[in-house]
Amino acid sequence: DAMVIQNPRYQVTQFGKPVTLSCSQTLNHNVMYWYQQKSSQAPKLLFHYYDKDFNNEADTPDNFQSRRPNTSFCFLDIRSPGLGDAAMYLCATSSAPLSYEQYFGPGTRLTVT
Amino acid sequence: AQSVTQLDSQVPVFEEAPVELRCNYSSSVSVYLFWYVQYPNQGLQLLLKYLSGSTLVKGINGFEAEFNKSQTSFHLRKPSVHISDTAEYFCAVSVYGNKLVFGAGTILRVKS
Repeated sequence: DAMVIQNPRYQVTQFGKPVTLSCSQTLNHNVMYWYQQKSSQAPKLLFHYYDKDFNNEADTPDNFQSRRPNTSFCFLDIRSPGLGDAAMYLCATSSAPLSYEQYFGPGTRLTVT
Repeated sequence: AQSVTQLDSQVPVFEEAPVELRCNYSSSVSVYLFWYVQYPNQGLQLLLKYLSGSTLVKGINGFEAEFNKSQTSFHLRKPSVHISDTAEYFCAVSVYGNKLVFGAGTILRVKS
């Protein structure tokens, strides 16, 4: 089945230690998104790639970066995680344009100690 | 800009009873509307969507929603819920070329 895969499902990192979360898709979608979701809140869009074009949300901290080396893979890098960055991180994909339905991966739950 | 209001943060209901989860949106232009479900420690799964056409939309797991343009609503309904429907439900709106805007979510608790 075509799908969105996120690894790892659970990640523990230390305060200030860089961490990378990965996402891959077999849907061949043009657009890939990264969301942050804190407990009992709606997902918050951090950024998205439209093909190779990177689009950052205005309120996304500089601490968060992303890479998309090819159509299938996208990475979320947190350069210096703080305690406030503990959250579920969701990857999603969609075919163009942005507003169409999005397909979500299972998420990576990040704990910062 | 678009916005979404989910009127209930939690909805408790007994098994086999009907349920309605309410969603209102605001937008000055035509919208696309979605309902997603999220089970604990999982990603979001699309339940149903309205892009155009018939205002009554049927989705997976026996859910349906009706787009009401005059009331700017897109309420989600199920005639008979199961324990397995216990989850958080998110309504989302978008306009062509723009990102999804999510509501705050409604937790559906189905009791036996």
